[in-house]
Amino acid sequence: RKEVEQDPGPFNVPEGATVAFNCTYSNSASQSFFWYRQDCRKEPKLLMSVYSSGNEDGRFTAQLNRASQYISLLIRDSKLSDSATYLCVVTSTSGTYKYIFGTGTRLKVLA
Amino acid sequence: GEEVAQTPKHLVRGEGQKAKLYCAPIKGHSYVFWYQQVLKNEFKFLISFQNENVFDETGMPKERFSAKCLPNSPCSLEIQATKLEDSAVYFCASSQSADGYTFGSGTRLTVV
Repeated sequence: RKEVEQDPGPFNVPEGATVAFNCTYSNSASQSFFWYRQDCRKEPKLLMSVYSSGNEDGRFTAQLNRASQYISLLIRDSKLSDSATYLCVVTSTSGTYKYIFGTGTRLKVLA
Repeated sequence: GEEVAQTPKHLVRGEGQKAKLYCAPIKGHSYVFWYQQVLKNEFKFLISFQNENVFDETGMPKERFSAKCLPNSPCSLEIQATKLEDSAVYFCASSQSADGYTFGSGTRLTVV
């Protein structure tokens, strides 16, 4: 079983739709959680950090559920420019800030 | 600068040749990380540095891979005697803490 699991998709949604991605992680002692966005094999870019209290940035909302060991990302009012791969990232528990990546969820927003 | 600068962008090597990749972290960032991304989006951690000291090298294939971060020089990742399976995009990232990395644009290595 992978340490961080994501549904690879692709998720094909129309413009304006709301779409949600989930991610599960296996190590309950993991400490930091992130969503990154990666376009067409370019570098991953930090979308947002994820906290138990939840955090929102414009159309994006992220949530962490430590008890169930899952992380979610909600995108409201999808834009064509949201088409990308969304990577769920968890830091290793070894104290080395090492990232454990999910394999990513592909999103395609259709006109 | 405010970006992680990786060079070269593309590198083609024949099997058995050496490949050397460079990374200049963001000024003031103490940590540097190297990851390998192969097909199917899988990221593999290779090595990290805290300043010029190796911080975690648990991902490094010891036989052919080596890396350095020396003062006043870009960090480097070197692969001796490249193999076809080394073909990948190599990303460098830097950070000041655990609050999220900044990645460089990557070096695409093709071994033919």
